[in-house]
Amino acid sequence: DAGVIQSPRHEVTEMGQEVTLRCKPISGHDYLFWYRQTMMRGLELLIYFNNNVPIDDSGMPEDRFSAKMPNASFSTLKIQPSEPRDSAVYFCASSWASSGANVLTFGAGSRLTVL
Amino acid sequence: AQSVAQPEDQVNVAEGNPLTVKCTYSVSGNPYLFWYVQYPNRGLQFLLKYITGDNLVKGSYGFEAEFNKSQTSFHLKKPSALVSDSALYFCAVRDLISSGSARQLTFGSGTQLTVLP
Repeated sequence: DAGVIQSPRHEVTEMGQEVTLRCKPISGHDYLFWYRQTMMRGLELLIYFNNNVPIDDSGMPEDRFSAKMPNASFSTLKIQPSEPRDSAVYFCASSWASSGANVLTFGAGSRLTVL
Repeated sequence: AQSVAQPEDQVNVAEGNPLTVKCTYSVSGNPYLFWYVQYPNRGLQFLLKYITGDNLVKGSYGFEAEFNKSQTSFHLKKPSALVSDSALYFCAVRDLISSGSARQLTFGSGTQLTVLP
């Protein structure tokens, strides 16, 4: 397996533009997580899904952020409109329930810069 | 509520010396505890976990961690550090008695380990 695949790896955009980040989890994993990492706030959980269903989105900063998981092999995190304070590295991670609790496999991350 | 603290932002150690990266936790019940490592421009990688049983847990790359319930600690250790161990290390905790959306990991703020040649 190629691991968790995220795209794009780097995104530079201007304030107000829509940003879509994509994630392909490991096949067979039934949990998918979106995290955001910044120097100031560290690693923050934004939202997670179980069997494609959003379970907890309390970490989503505001209505500008949305996430979907239309099927077991694909998820998106969308920011519309983007703002400079959204600049961060966004990680997708996946796991499966029988993995012995929360052994996450992370993608390489998407580095977002909003100018 | 669950929380985890990594009291040191930075740890420096000479190559060949033993290393320790500290972690303390707070949970309502019994904890699941984890260590992850992040190399530059990469995602976090799982190192080891404690769920139950032996308090000394062995993981990848020669790392081990000791669960101490009385001190609510789960320090990461390695007997002999390598330059290639230099990375950002995260401790994480999950409360076993939590259910539903609370069954998520809480990560510490991370400790930057630098192994000097």
